[in-house]
Amino acid sequence: EADIYQTPRYLVIGTGKKITLECSQTMGHDKMYWYQQDPGMELHLIHYSYGVNSTEKGDLSSESTVSRIRTEHFPLTLESARPSHTSQYLCASSGPGEYYEQYFGPGTRLTVT
Amino acid sequence: AQKVTQAQTEISVVEKEDVTLDCVYETRDTTYYLFWYKQPPSGELVFLIRRNSFDEQNEISGRYSWNFQKSTSSFNFTITASQVVDSAVYFCALRGGGADGLTFGKGTHLIIQP
Repeated sequence: EADIYQTPRYLVIGTGKKITLECSQTMGHDKMYWYQQDPGMELHLIHYSYGVNSTEKGDLSSESTVSRIRTEHFPLTLESARPSHTSQYLCASSGPGEYYEQYFGPGTRLTVT
Repeated sequence: AQKVTQAQTEISVVEKEDVTLDCVYETRDTTYYLFWYKQPPSGELVFLIRRNSFDEQNEISGRYSWNFQKSTSSFNFTITASQVVDSAVYFCALRGGGADGLTFGKGTHLIIQP
């Protein structure tokens, strides 16, 4: 069973607020990812990291930013939330090679009103 | 570019029926990895299986089985004697050589009726 955690699980917030979605893993994985899942269920990669101080943008353009100061922690921040940011955000981590599967956290369902 | 197609948006069967979820992929990479994940109503993605492009051996795990065919670029998933607890959204995903994230299909919503 994967040990990857996300908080909060649900968040309803007004437009213009700054928010940070937390993601932590206890598996010592260097690689971590953020995916956005739209209401149509499809998942898209928005950010990933190879390790501490490494962050890259994914396939889907996102106004969010990420940081990786500690191996186990990979938070995602939205400086000014908008209704278009309403979605589910899933964090994942994996072992060092392409061969390894990604383990996912429970997700944060964000609603911006 | 990589692509995963799950043509079945929703499947509804009665409990104990067998059901097959289709997955077709596109990639130019010679080395790649295929995955299936399950997403129950609670929302988390649960890893089910990984298959490497150089290993076409089919796999069976209890009531689950997977059929990988490179000739047709397909990686289908069969549930035998389905149960209500199998109700979920199932995603097929692809990771190509050198890629960092997974390319997901749109998912198949499986409904098992009692």
